[in-house]
Amino acid sequence: TQLLEQSPQFLSIQEGENLTVYCNSSSVFSSLQWYRQEPGEGPVLLVTVVTGGEVKKLKRLTFQFGDARKDSSLHITAAQPGDTGLYLCAGAKTNAGKSTFGDGTTLTVKP
Amino acid sequence: DAGVTQSPTHLIKTRGQQVTLRCSPISGHKSVSWYQQVLGQGPQFIFQYYEKEERGRGNFPDRFSARQFPNYSSELNVNALLLGDSALYLCASSLSGDLGSNQPQHFGDGTRLSIL
Repeated sequence: TQLLEQSPQFLSIQEGENLTVYCNSSSVFSSLQWYRQEPGEGPVLLVTVVTGGEVKKLKRLTFQFGDARKDSSLHITAAQPGDTGLYLCAGAKTNAGKSTFGDGTTLTVKP
Repeated sequence: DAGVTQSPTHLIKTRGQQVTLRCSPISGHKSVSWYQQVLGQGPQFIFQYYEKEERGRGNFPDRFSARQFPNYSSELNVNALLLGDSALYLCASSLSGDLGSNQPQHFGDGTRLSIL
């Protein structure tokens, strides 16, 4: 069974702080995505990583894929209230015919 | 361009009834996947269809079925509804039939199904 463990489950911080959330697995994935989901809406894609050791930046967000392609992290610099939401990671293997999601990290950024 | 669209947005059913949920993918996307998201959890994979054929199936009972039409839209059917089927049902589309490729999935806003 391919499981993706996300930590922490909940995170509440003040505006301007930095944070890192993690996505870990014992399985190797061909690709891994990070999504942000707000209440009543579907997940919105933030990034896709496919190469071990890959680092991608999206404004204040930095995503890293582990060298062994089993884990990933998302770092947010100077968090803003607009960053509040559920952050989900999802992994898939080539031609496996399924995608596995973690249970997410709920981030609250207080003004 | 329109994103993934799902209908209806909300639905209330009673135990034992049947339901059909609909999904239209992003134009040009031939792969459609269905997910169930229970409150407080991440989406759970139900089915993937690509070019009108089933490519993958998650760990769901046979009460769940789906199909994809020639225009790549899709329907998810659930029979003999149980209270535990109450959830947000999400549809995602992608260019590639390989979910492990660098072509990501894009999600609709889901159908909120409540079973009384």
